[in-house]
Amino acid sequence: LAKTTQPISMDSYEGQEVNITCSHNNIATNDYITWYQQFPSQGPRFIIQGYKTKVTNEVASLFIPADRKSSTLSLPRVSLSDTAVYYCLVPSSDMLTFGGGTRLMVKP
Amino acid sequence: DAGITQSPRYKITETGRQVTLMCHQTWSHSYMFWYRQDLGHGLRLIYYSAAADITDKGEVPDGYVVSRSKTENFPLTLESATRSQTSVYFCASSESDRVVEKLFFGSGTQLSVL
Repeated sequence: LAKTTQPISMDSYEGQEVNITCSHNNIATNDYITWYQQFPSQGPRFIIQGYKTKVTNEVASLFIPADRKSSTLSLPRVSLSDTAVYYCLVPSSDMLTFGGGTRLMVKP
Repeated sequence: DAGITQSPRYKITETGRQVTLMCHQTWSHSYMFWYRQDLGHGLRLIYYSAAADITDKGEVPDGYVVSRSKTENFPLTLESATRSQTSVYFCASSESDRVVEKLFFGSGTQLSVL
């Protein structure tokens, strides 16, 4: 099973770049890596997805090394509104199992 | 409006009662999921469905029943509610025919079992 491990929490300040790393040692060959963001009292929402190397969209970048056993979500110049829980998701057999996520606190 | 909707938004019930949480999606997505999220914790998969009439257990299925007679609906039933089932329940659907793709989540149902 492709279990994921993330830091429980991180603090940052407005305007800084934040990097959240997720380890997934047992990732399967066909697995994609997906990141979600969750605000309080809301369901998670998709941020970015990748398979290898680097993916960038208007919200974030995702870096995946050649061995694919980890991935790093990069949020450029965070603001207070980026305070949320971030989940790394890697398929586990035929299920989608979320880990505990990383609680990001952005301070003024 | 198109999307995934859950009802009710809030529910209070008593121990031993049967409760059904509803989930409806308008995209005709094949995959649908039910997660629970306890206060301060991540999401745990209860049940999922790959298509109409196909359902399977997730990490924490005990005490729950699901059905999927139509592609767009995926109700979750607590047959005899217990206090440990107090949680926020999220329904999700996947836009791909394969599990692994982007998930779309509903707004959740906050359930309290007294």
